[in-house]
Amino acid sequence: DTGVSQDPRHKITKRGQNVTFRCDPISEHNRLYWYRQTLGQGPEFLTYFQNEAQLEKSRLLSDRFSAERPKGSFSTLEIQRTEQGDSAMYLCASSLNWVISTDTQYFGPGTRLTVL
Amino acid sequence: SQELEQSPQSLIVQEGKNLTINCTSSKTLYGLYWYKQKYGEGLIFLMMLQKGGEEKSHEKITAKLDEKKQQSSLHITASQPSHAGIYLCGADGGNQFYFGTGTSLTVIP
Repeated sequence: DTGVSQDPRHKITKRGQNVTFRCDPISEHNRLYWYRQTLGQGPEFLTYFQNEAQLEKSRLLSDRFSAERPKGSFSTLEIQRTEQGDSAMYLCASSLNWVISTDTQYFGPGTRLTVL
Repeated sequence: SQELEQSPQSLIVQEGKNLTINCTSSKTLYGLYWYKQKYGEGLIFLMMLQKGGEEKSHEKITAKLDEKKQQSSLHITASQPSHAGIYLCGADGGNQFYFGTGTSLTVIP
């Protein structure tokens, strides 16, 4: 296994369209995280999964955003009715440990979304 | 909520020079992570510090966590162009993970 992978790497869409991103974590990593990063800022936490359970959601995750992790393996992040403000890099990370404070996350290359 | 402040925001150094990046937390840190990010790419894990006074090194990069566990520093010795990128500190905020705003490092050959 070579690491966390994300697909697509780039997505350009028109405002109002729906988009879906996929993240494949490192095998056997039980935690999976989604972040959003805009230019010049650090990543902002969106949500995370422990296996298939979504344990935490940031207030940044509006009703237009939904994330799933069926069977506790890959995850998808869907954005409905995209807005220009959704333009950002969406990063996925996975980790193995149970305790978040000592939990090293390994990141994928990100999906860059541009909403026109 | 956890807040992480990094300084400086950006740094331009001549190749071969030493440099230090700081990360200050609004709360006691129970796990402080340093990552490096190339522009437009994902984050690469560098080091994790957990104990007060802890210091770790990897190649020419050394990270320290102060005794009070509220401040960390990342020191690069004899910088090289390959060190260029954005350095981010991150920490557990209880129910989510927080990152600092990053420090952009440029190394001039």
